[in-house]
Amino acid sequence: EAGVVQSPRYKIIEKKQPVAFWCNPISGHNTLYWYRQNLGQGPELLIRYENEEAVDDSQLPKDRFSAERLKGVDSTLKIQPAELGDSAVYLCASSRGGGGTLEQYFGPGTRLTVT
Amino acid sequence: GENVEQHPSTLSVQEGDSAVIKCTYSDSASNYFPWYKQELGKGPQLIIDIRSNVGEKKDQRIAVTLNKTAKHFSLHITETQPEDSAVYFCAAQFGNEKLTFGTGTRLTIIP
Repeated sequence: EAGVVQSPRYKIIEKKQPVAFWCNPISGHNTLYWYRQNLGQGPELLIRYENEEAVDDSQLPKDRFSAERLKGVDSTLKIQPAELGDSAVYLCASSRGGGGTLEQYFGPGTRLTVT
Repeated sequence: GENVEQHPSTLSVQEGDSAVIKCTYSDSASNYFPWYKQELGKGPQLIIDIRSNVGEKKDQRIAVTLNKTAKHFSLHITETQPEDSAVYFCAAQFGNEKLTFGTGTRLTIIP
């Protein structure tokens, strides 16, 4: 079974430019998460989807960040415009969802560097 | 909100010895506690987890213990090997809410 797929793996952009990250979750996983991991820290949740619905986006900086999961499978996270402080690893994770299934599986992440 | 503290931040052990990493959590309603291993340039990998109705769980050389009264849980790795070197994160979750991660422990196994 394929794991969570993310692209690109690395991205370097200048500040004020837009950037987008893509995630394909494990087949059959209804819940999808986007996390941000700063250097030397644990991941922090940005947004959680149950199928197409964003059920927790309280930590997403909505002035510059947006996300979508139109068909309940793949997801895209966008930053526009990027700031220097956005440099981090952006991780996507998925889980089966539903009662009692809590295990989250992470992708390899996208390392973003904003110059 | 939930807060998870993790200690130590770095840990070096001789190959073959045991390693223990400890975490405490603040929300007594938390009921799910996974541990992740993260190698350089990779995403976190789930290695073991425990739910609040269980006090201990073991999988080969790794084990996790949970003390709900004291609100702390620990990861134990026995007979450590060089490939165990990585950063380990604990996390806590309540229901279907978000995972809150600790700040990580960089484990180095000395050959």
